[in-house]
Amino acid sequence: AQSVTQLDSHVSVSEGTPVLLRCNYSSSYSPSLFWYVQHPNKGLQLLLKYTSAATLVKGINGFEAEFKKSETSFHLTKPSAHMSDAAEYFCVVTLAGGTSYGKLTFGQGTILTVHP
Amino acid sequence: GEEVAQTPKHLVRGEGQKAKLYCAPIKGHSYVFWYQQVLKNEFKFLISFQNENVFDETGMPKERFSAKCLPNSPCSLEIQATKLEDSAVYFCASSRSYEQYFGPGTRLTVT
Repeated sequence: AQSVTQLDSHVSVSEGTPVLLRCNYSSSYSPSLFWYVQHPNKGLQLLLKYTSAATLVKGINGFEAEFKKSETSFHLTKPSAHMSDAAEYFCVVTLAGGTSYGKLTFGQGTILTVHP
Repeated sequence: GEEVAQTPKHLVRGEGQKAKLYCAPIKGHSYVFWYQQVLKNEFKFLISFQNENVFDETGMPKERFSAKCLPNSPCSLEIQATKLEDSAVYFCASSRSYEQYFGPGTRLTVT
């Protein structure tokens, strides 16, 4: 079984300040982890992925995330927020193989608000 | 194509009517997934395909939902006798390996 918990339903930052969106996961096996972003009335865009290679993962638009197995965490960070980062972010887990291959389990989502 | 295409964008059905949604995966991707997003942010896995074969259908309410992926045709998700609770955005995703690429979704409204 696998699950994802996003620790904050809303995060509000000022433009130019750092962003931290927190995610903890639970998985019986080696997981693959992703962060997706959803802008209003749009589909999901893949920001970055962890698939058992480097634990620090860099994604698009300056985002990065660090896989910490001991803490079962995969927090998303960005050094400096931009107004265009305002959106909803989803932490997602899937198993690496077996009959559940590819079946994504989503966190509850974190709405990021960026103030001028 | 380079993007997952979904049609229609919006679909309105009266309760009890049939709804059919379509998905064209990215060319070369052998896996297709359907997800249902209700209440703005809750995603539920419905079904996945490997080429035209059902891979995992553990999320499908089988009594009213069905899906197909046939060669040289868009994949489809069909809901017989829609209910109010089926109102949601339905996303299709395709993949070649681990990461899934999502389409823009079809918003189904059941009245």
